[in-house]
Amino acid sequence: DAGVIQSPRHEVTEMGQEVTLRCKPISGHDYLFWYRQTMMRGLELLIYFNNNVPIDDSGMPEDRFSAKMPNASFSTLKIQPSEPRDSAVYFCASSASAGRLGEQFFGPGTRLTVL
Amino acid sequence: GESVGLHLPTLSVQEGDNSIINCAYSNSASDYFIWYKQESGKGPQFIIDIRSNMDKRQGQRVTVLLNKTVKHLSLQIAATQPGDSAVYFCAEGTGGFKTIFGAGTRLFVKA
Repeated sequence: DAGVIQSPRHEVTEMGQEVTLRCKPISGHDYLFWYRQTMMRGLELLIYFNNNVPIDDSGMPEDRFSAKMPNASFSTLKIQPSEPRDSAVYFCASSASAGRLGEQFFGPGTRLTVL
Repeated sequence: GESVGLHLPTLSVQEGDNSIINCAYSNSASDYFIWYKQESGKGPQFIIDIRSNMDKRQGQRVTVLLNKTVKHLSLQIAATQPGDSAVYFCAEGTGGFKTIFGAGTRLFVKA
């Protein structure tokens, strides 16, 4: 298995632009998580899905952020409009309910820079 | 002015020595605890977990200790190697699969 796949790996955009981050979880995993990592706030859980349904989005910072999971093999995190303070590394992770409790498999991350 | 970022605690050890990384957790109702390792430029990687009804669990070269009385978790790495250099996160979870990560500790291994 290729592991969790994220694209793009790096994104540089200007303030006000729409940004879409993509994630392909490990096949067979039924949980998907989006995290944001910054020096200021560490690793924060933004939202997670179970069987493509959003379960907890309490970590989504504001309405500019939205996430979707149209099927079991694809999820997007969208920021519209983007702001410089959104600059961070965004990680997608997946896990299996039949696997070890709490074990999540992380992708390589997308480094977002908003100018 | 410039924002002040998280100042990660840092542990520096000599290659071959044992390392102990500590973590204080906040939720006494957490069901499980996990240690993750994050190398530079990569996502966190699962190391070992422990359920709240246990106080010790051993893996390959690693041991996790849980003290629920003082809400303290530790990760012991035996015979630390240069490849162990990374940031280590403790995380806690309750019930389902929502996991909350701590701030992390940076481990430097001197050759």
